[in-house]
Amino acid sequence: EAGVTQFPSHSVIEKGQTVTLRCDPISGHDNLYWYRRVMGKEIKFLLHFVKESKQDESGMPNNRFLAERTGGTYSTLKVQPAELEDSGVYFCASSQRQGLGSPLHFGNGTRLTVT
Amino acid sequence: DQQVKQNSPSLSVQEGRISILNCDYTNSMFDYFLWYKKYPAEGPTFLISISSIKDKNEDGRFTVFLNKSAKHLSLHIVPSQPGDSAVYFCAASSLGGSEKLVFGKGTKLTVNP
Repeated sequence: EAGVTQFPSHSVIEKGQTVTLRCDPISGHDNLYWYRRVMGKEIKFLLHFVKESKQDESGMPNNRFLAERTGGTYSTLKVQPAELEDSGVYFCASSQRQGLGSPLHFGNGTRLTVT
Repeated sequence: DQQVKQNSPSLSVQEGRISILNCDYTNSMFDYFLWYKKYPAEGPTFLISISSIKDKNEDGRFTVFLNKSAKHLSLHIVPSQPGDSAVYFCAASSLGGSEKLVFGKGTKLTVNP
């Protein structure tokens, strides 16, 4: 079984530019999550998709961030325009179902550096 | 306002001995707790979890203890192995499962041969 894959693994962009991160969850996993870890801080929840619908987007920092999951398969997270404080590692995770006994499977993350 | 706290940034133990990683939380609504392990340049990997209705859960060398009155949980690794060297994250949820996890900052465990 292929794990959660994220692309790119690294991205370096200038302030004001746009970046799009992609996540392919494990096949059959309806639940997809985005998390972010800013340097030296804890991993923080951004949002949760169930299939193509946003279940919870309370962690999205501001309207410069746009997440989509068209067709309920892969997801993209776009940052436009990027700011310096957006630098960090963006993790995607998926799970088969909600509730007990269905832990999150994380991808290796995309390290975003905004200069 | 950190709801999940791992106050030890690092821990070093000898191979074969016990590793004890600690985690405190402030939100009494948390009802599900998890430990994740993370190697460099990889994503967190699920290790073990515990529901708030239990006080102990064991899986091989890993045991998690939950003390609800103290809002404290700990992960015991016995015996510790060099391959256990990683960053360990404590996480909690108030939704009964793995949704909307709140993570601690992590503790870097080093197991010396």
